[in-house]
Amino acid sequence: EDQVTQSPEALRLQEGESSSLNCSYTVSGLRGLFWYRQDPGKGPEFLFTLYSAGEEKEKERLKATLTKKESFLHITAPKPEDSATYLCAVRGGGSEKLVFGKGTKLTVNP
Amino acid sequence: NAGVMQNPRHLVRRRGQEARLRCSPMKGHSHVYWYRQLPEEGLKFMVYLQKENIIDESGMPKERFSAEFPKEGPSILRIQQVVRGDSAAYFCASSPTYPEAFFGQGTRLTVV
Repeated sequence: EDQVTQSPEALRLQEGESSSLNCSYTVSGLRGLFWYRQDPGKGPEFLFTLYSAGEEKEKERLKATLTKKESFLHITAPKPEDSATYLCAVRGGGSEKLVFGKGTKLTVNP
Repeated sequence: NAGVMQNPRHLVRRRGQEARLRCSPMKGHSHVYWYRQLPEEGLKFMVYLQKENIIDESGMPKERFSAEFPKEGPSILRIQQVVRGDSAAYFCASSPTYPEAFFGQGTRLTVV
């Protein structure tokens, strides 16, 4: 069964303090690892898709990387508006569904 | 291009009533997914549909829950005889074919 574990569960940073969020996964035949951002009371907002080990993608202050067992979401010089819950999900072979982790709640203090 | 539209945003039902949740996918998207999010839990897959077909319903409870995506109109998630444990946020996502799924703002169901 496909599984996703995210750590830490919660992270508090000062504005400008860079850090990384971890997503460890076990999946049979990875067909995509996805990062989403979710604000309170809102739906998940798509950020990135990664397909193979070594792949990297960037968007503003965010960079996602992928290895064969985990993915990292690096946040460089975060701002308070980056505060949100970040969700990681995988799609495995033979299924179109996404399997989500429980998320990392990021708080960036000014 | 409007995003995935879900309505209602909030729904209150008494125990035993029926709940109908609607999802209009993004224009051009023919794949619809329903997920449920319980407090302190991650998003859980419920069902995957294409127009007029249920492709994967492995995450749907066997009783009281059903879903459809007709040729015309929105996708509907129907919960019969709701119980307090059905209280959750229900999210719909759509995709054109593969791979990214784009989510709506969700329907928050409260059973009283």
